[in-house]
Amino acid sequence: RKEVEQDPGPFNVPEGATVAFNCTYSNSASQSFFWYRQDCRKEPKLLMSVYSSGNEDGRFTAQLNRASQYISLLIRDSKLSDSATYLCAFNQAGTALIFGKGTTLSVSS
Amino acid sequence: DTGVSQDPRHKITKRGQNVTFRCDPISEHNRLYWYRQTLGQGPEFLTYFQNEAQLEKSRLLSDRFSAERPKGSFSTLEIQRTEQGDSAMYLCASSPPWGLPLVIRADTQYFGPGTRLTVL
Repeated sequence: RKEVEQDPGPFNVPEGATVAFNCTYSNSASQSFFWYRQDCRKEPKLLMSVYSSGNEDGRFTAQLNRASQYISLLIRDSKLSDSATYLCAFNQAGTALIFGKGTTLSVSS
Repeated sequence: DTGVSQDPRHKITKRGQNVTFRCDPISEHNRLYWYRQTLGQGPEFLTYFQNEAQLEKSRLLSDRFSAERPKGSFSTLEIQRTEQGDSAMYLCASSPPWGLPLVIRADTQYFGPGTRLTVL
């Protein structure tokens, strides 16, 4: 099993849609989980850390399911500006981040 | 700008040449990471430093790759005898120490804009 797996998409959705991405990980010792957003030819930018209890930031909601070893990202009321690649990442206590390949989202008007 | 900076932003070189990239982390961040990203992939970890100590380097892609952080501030990544397969985006990230005031998640890594390397 790969360390981390993401559906690469692309996900093509209209403005206003709700879209969800999942990311599975194989290392049960993983401690910290993140979602990064990456625009074309730019660096990854932190979108959200993912907490055990789940967390929300505006239109974005992140969930962690340790039993099934996956994290999810839900985007509500999609905007054109949400079009990007979304990368999941995890690590153990400040060590290297292990990234998924990313999921491409395209929001159209 | 107080973010992570990298220099140069773009580098074109011929196969067989040596290249060196620089990364300046966010002030007071004691951990510094190097990643490589190729098209269609997520960033791939190469090495990291805590202060001046290189704590993990087994993921460096070959012995042609080396990194330094001599004074615990900026870092350099050198690739010797470049090959076409080295063409990629080289990303640097930093993270703050635990216990720094106002730091909520010291395990969060902040990325610089990257150095895009093209080997002809």
